[in-house]
Amino acid sequence: KQEVTQIPAALSVPEGENLVLNCSFTDSAIYNLQWFRQDPGKGLTSLLLIQSSQREQTSGRLNASLDKSSGRSTLYIAASQPGDSATYLCAVSRLREYGNKLVFGAGTILRVKS
Amino acid sequence: DVKVTQSSRYLVKRTGEKVFLECVQDMDHENMFWYRQDPGLGLRLIYFSYDVKMKEKGDIPEGYSVSREKKERFSLILESASTNQTSMYLCASSSDRNLYEQYFGPGTRLTVT
Repeated sequence: KQEVTQIPAALSVPEGENLVLNCSFTDSAIYNLQWFRQDPGKGLTSLLLIQSSQREQTSGRLNASLDKSSGRSTLYIAASQPGDSATYLCAVSRLREYGNKLVFGAGTILRVKS
Repeated sequence: DVKVTQSSRYLVKRTGEKVFLECVQDMDHENMFWYRQDPGLGLRLIYFSYDVKMKEKGDIPEGYSVSREKKERFSLILESASTNQTSMYLCASSSDRNLYEQYFGPGTRLTVT
């Protein structure tokens, strides 16, 4: 059974710091991995998707890497801003005949202090 | 913009009540999902549907049922609510043309007392 773990559970940093969020998964036979952002009381917004054949994806100040063989992914946030404060969730995909079922980690709660 | 809406943001029900959570998407998506989110556990899949009247159990279906009579609407039903079903419930949808992108609703925070 696939399990996804995110470390740390919570992180508080001063504005401007570069930071790394970690995600690990137990079954390396994934189809892809996604990073989501969740703001309080709101749904999830997809940030980055990495296919299993890819090593990394970048979007603005965000960079996500994937090492499928070791079951790890990292989300790097450069020059953090207070607006980055949110919960960040990692999810791996198990592709089925119908739909795309995701297995989520518990998330990292990030607070960026101004 | 894709929009996924959920009928209530906050809901308080009593133990033993029958509870309906409604989700509607406006993008003609084939696939719809119900998750619950609990602190320290992340999102866990309850049920999903890949077509009208078609459904498949997720990881934690016990105590729940679903209904999909129309393509745009997916309902989660708690036949007899219990306190351990107090949680945040999130609905999502995705298209067969782009399986990898799920669009999420804002969530319903259900409290069962």
